[in-house]
Amino acid sequence: GENVEQHPSTLSVQEGDSAVIKCTYSDSASNYFPWYKQELGKGPQLIIDIRSNVGEKKDQRIAVTLNKTAKHFSLHITETQPEDSAVYFCAASFNSGYSTLTFGKGTMLLVSP
Amino acid sequence: DTEVTQTPKHLVMGMTNKKSLKCEQHMGHRAMYWYKQKAKKPPELMFVYSYEKLSINESVPSRFSPECPNSSLLNLHLHALQPEDSALYLCASSPLDRGIPEQYFGPGTRLTVT
Repeated sequence: GENVEQHPSTLSVQEGDSAVIKCTYSDSASNYFPWYKQELGKGPQLIIDIRSNVGEKKDQRIAVTLNKTAKHFSLHITETQPEDSAVYFCAASFNSGYSTLTFGKGTMLLVSP
Repeated sequence: DTEVTQTPKHLVMGMTNKKSLKCEQHMGHRAMYWYKQKAKKPPELMFVYSYEKLSINESVPSRFSPECPNSSLLNLHLHALQPEDSALYLCASSPLDRGIPEQYFGPGTRLTVT
């Protein structure tokens, strides 16, 4: 089955800095890669995703890049703000209708003012 | 609107109790999911329903019994749980469409088994 590795497990940055979280996956059949943000006491929130036919996607301060050859994808957050502090999960799946997500172990991002 | 609602927000139950968790979405999604999440861990898939039929059961103990009464509702019936079943239970939904794989999560039910 699919295996997703996520690094780092914790990341501390100063407000205004950039943050990068990296994930690798094992199954070359995976074709959908979402990123979720989970704040304390809340459910995961889908913040951005990318499909295997695209190399990069951007939405305001967040962007995701995908390297299918190397089987890795990354989340980039620019101009970080304290409200970006949360746990971020990457995931991979083969979308055949419903998608069974395989999650990375998560990255706790702390943005200090 | 990408809202999935779950009730109750918190639940405390004894090991001999029977309780149910409820999940609702009105996005017209035909796939619904139950996940279990322990502290500082990613969500773990428990069940997947597609078109109101159980498609995946990830070898979940029978003390957890899912039910999908209609396309908008998903229940998880709990009976004779163990303390190690204490966790955040998350519901999610997605369209059954290869072109639209996005999966949306509810806020979860925080379950404590005493």
